[in-house]
Amino acid sequence: QKEVEQNSGPLSVPEGAIASLNCTYSDRVSQSFFWYRQYSGKSPELIMSIYSNGDKEDGRFTAQLNKASQYVSLLIRDSQPSDSATYLCAVSLNDYKLSFGAGTTVTVRA
Amino acid sequence: GAGVSQSPSNKVTEKGKDVELRCDPISGHTALYWYRQSLGQGLEFLIYFQGNSAPDKSGLPSDRFSAERTGGSVSTLTIQRTQQEDSAVYLCASSLVLGPETQYFGPGTRLLVL
Repeated sequence: QKEVEQNSGPLSVPEGAIASLNCTYSDRVSQSFFWYRQYSGKSPELIMSIYSNGDKEDGRFTAQLNKASQYVSLLIRDSQPSDSATYLCAVSLNDYKLSFGAGTTVTVRA
Repeated sequence: GAGVSQSPSNKVTEKGKDVELRCDPISGHTALYWYRQSLGQGLEFLIYFQGNSAPDKSGLPSDRFSAERTGGSVSTLTIQRTQQEDSAVYLCASSLVLGPETQYFGPGTRLLVL
């Protein structure tokens, strides 16, 4: 079983809609959770971090964490064509190591 | 200021050759990380440096892989006797202090082994 699993997608949503991305992780001791955005041919860029159960909102992005279910999600509200990218879920297993999912590719249709 | 830089940006090599990939972290960043991203795969942690020391080398795929860091700055990832399965994008990241957050990634080196 992979440490971090994501829906592979691709996920296609119309402009203005909500994009919902899901991620599950296997290690219960994981403490820190991150979402990175990666445009094609570019390096990953951190967009959200979450550490405690519940929701965390930052602009059009909302991260949700449920440690009991070992589940973390990302909602993108009012999706824009510029949100078209691959979104990587990452889980921190210790002070230095990030374990990444394979990513979900999102396409926002204008 | 300047971000993390990596060179070369692209490298094509023949199977069996050795390659060296270079990473220049953000100035002042004490921690440096190497990841590998294969086609359709997530980032795979390889190794990290705190200063010039690499306390955890367990992520390196085989003994053909090695890395060093000198002067608390530049790092080199060396792959000996390259194999086709080594083809991937090798990403370097750095952070001001050791920690999972605020790892700033470089643009990566795209390695193709023929």
